Amino acid sequence: DTGVSQNPRHKITKRGQNVTFRCDPISEHNRLYWYRQTLGQGPEFLTYFQNEAQLEKSRLLSDRFSAERPKGSFSTLEIQRTEQGDSAMYLCASSLVNTGVDTQYFGPGTRLTVL
Amino acid sequence: GENVEQHPSTLSVQEGDSAVIKCTYSDSASNYFPWYKQELGKRPQLIIDIRSNVGEKKDQRIAVTLNKTAKHFSLHITETQPEDSAVYFCAASMDSSYKLIFGSGTRLLVRP
Repeated sequence: DTGVSQNPRHKITKRGQNVTFRCDPISEHNRLYWYRQTLGQGPEFLTYFQNEAQLEKSRLLSDRFSAERPKGSFSTLEIQRTEQGDSAMYLCASSLVNTGVDTQYFGPGTRLTVL
Repeated sequence: GENVEQHPSTLSVQEGDSAVIKCTYSDSASNYFPWYKQELGKRPQLIIDIRSNVGEKKDQRIAVTLNKTAKHFSLHITETQPEDSAVYFCAASMDSSYKLIFGSGTRLLVRP
């Protein structure tokens, strides 16, 4: 499978614990995005990277959230001191920017449940 | 910031009929408008997209139209089939910030 992959697919944690998710983009894609999707809503932008540089972060992204893309390939999203409101599907997308077109392809997501 | 509104929230059609989903955006700088289909428990999948220098784009039974003056764009599905049943999301982005701003989704049900 050469698409975007995410691990784990499901994560159940207790309030106050830290969690980390991983995203592997499509090979050679230079942009990587994180979105959050709650039930019945469209995905909400969290942050994005071009290569290893984090270029934009949403105001939704509290200081408990941190994302990295250390070598410009895979990315991790860490949530510290989880809260019940963090329960959602966390989606990763990647794109290859050329000729000004930025088509984003999504991974299957990591579903987080905070008890 | 950009805001995208999508209507209707649910749409039920008979197999073979057409379905139309409409979206409006607020920021005239938006210039890229993709549509995603999301089946239950699955990832959003791109089905068609359009850039602001084009007024209409068609791919088999799916077409998208864009009216830049009115800041709205629409998805048209003809000859609907039961496998078209899913949630459809419109989105908008601009070159200064490539993030996608999504609408709230339309749940399409195609009745056999």
